[in-house]
Amino acid sequence: DSGVTQTPKHLITATGQRVTLRCSPRSGDLSVYWYQQSLDQGLQFLIQYYNGEERAKGNILERFSAQQFPDLHSELNLSSLELGDSALYFCASSVGGGLAGGGEQFFGPGTRLTVL
Amino acid sequence: AQSVSQHNHHVILSEAASLELGCNYSYGGTVNLFWYVQYPGQHLQLLLKYFSGDPLVKGIKGFEAEFIKSKFSFNLRKPSVQWSDTAEYFCAVNVPNNAGNMLTFGGGTRLMVKP
Repeated sequence: DSGVTQTPKHLITATGQRVTLRCSPRSGDLSVYWYQQSLDQGLQFLIQYYNGEERAKGNILERFSAQQFPDLHSELNLSSLELGDSALYFCASSVGGGLAGGGEQFFGPGTRLTVL
Repeated sequence: AQSVSQHNHHVILSEAASLELGCNYSYGGTVNLFWYVQYPGQHLQLLLKYFSGDPLVKGIKGFEAEFIKSKFSFNLRKPSVQWSDTAEYFCAVNVPNNAGNMLTFGGGTRLMVKP
């Protein structure tokens, strides 16, 4: 158990819908990261938040957005869902936003999203 | 931008065989290097990491990796694999700076160990 929690574990929805994935980081970690794992794209970084502010952005679609709340939990919002959005979405956390904490990220169990 | 290549997509070994998984990255500057493992149905777990110092890094479960800067490589090794090592292995890099801490992952190597 990494200490990072994600809900829900599984999500099945239809094309065009909107979903919200939730992540709680390890106690004391200020950074939250979102990654997408799919068969064709592999593991890809989406976005990082540090202490409530966006710190880095990767290959995140405009239909996707995220935020980190004052209690440090984060939500990833996926809208106008397409079949290709079906994937495993991982959240990770680390102590710092850059070099602090040695850069080690701890991963949650993931949310498996299926878009039908 | 940095990229990571893992040339072995699938590896099948018998128990007690030695393992070496290749990882090459492309980035001219300083990088931090990681190997993560994902057991079936589980989340990613850190096996080992390299930031600086001794290029031979020892991790958990008997794994080690060697950073060879001239070859831009960070290969993972284990002298004798067990059935329980069946998993997918990911090499990852990040560039230490203040603009973020994103990990760039390789495509992964699926290891199957036959009992």
